[in-house]
Amino acid sequence: DVKVTQSSRYLVKRTGEKVFLECVQDMDHENMFWYRQDPGLGLRLIYFSYDVKMKEKGDIPEGYSVSREKKERFSLILESASTNQTSMYLCASSLGQGPLLAKNIQYFGAGTRLSVL
Amino acid sequence: AQKITQTQPGMFVQEKEAVTLDCTYDTSDPSYGLFWYKQPSSGEMIFLIYQGSYDQQNATEGRYSLNFQKARKSANLVISASQLGDSAMYFCAMREGVRTGNQFYFGTGTSLTVIP
Repeated sequence: DVKVTQSSRYLVKRTGEKVFLECVQDMDHENMFWYRQDPGLGLRLIYFSYDVKMKEKGDIPEGYSVSREKKERFSLILESASTNQTSMYLCASSLGQGPLLAKNIQYFGAGTRLSVL
Repeated sequence: AQKITQTQPGMFVQEKEAVTLDCTYDTSDPSYGLFWYKQPSSGEMIFLIYQGSYDQQNATEGRYSLNFQKARKSANLVISASQLGDSAMYFCAMREGVRTGNQFYFGTGTSLTVIP
């Protein structure tokens, strides 16, 4: 089974702190993703990566950065946390381009509920 | 324009009955994939079922089936014989095959409550 592990289930931080959310997958997937989930808004893509050291902005990258130094690990960084970044953060991974481009299931971690006070 | 639209914020169904969760999508890409995920209160997104745009038959996975109507651009999830454990948020998602980036587009979700 694919396993995507997020380092924390719950996190409480103060405004202005630098926050690291870590995600590790064990299936040698090429693609990794960070989403935030807010009630009524569904999942919104923050950043994704399709290879080591490669990253692409998603729909809402402002206030976030990412790091992918190793294939299995994708980190989301909040440079200076703000209260409007209080949210549920979900990490996902998928296999890669492959011949079946459209069938590229994303597998998710359990999520991190971040509160910024 | 929204890529994925789920118009039912909340649904109720009696245990053992069938329920349909609606999803419409918007794309001009001829190759795309449609996905349904379940999110229990614990938070983890669980993959349920996949339908490819070129698939001739509707996808089925156990009690889940996808009613795929390509001309209408709809991909409704049908859950048969509902169980209490089916109570959760359900998200419809799409990936466009030709575009780069592997990006998924998610709907806003439908909250399903199964009544005993």
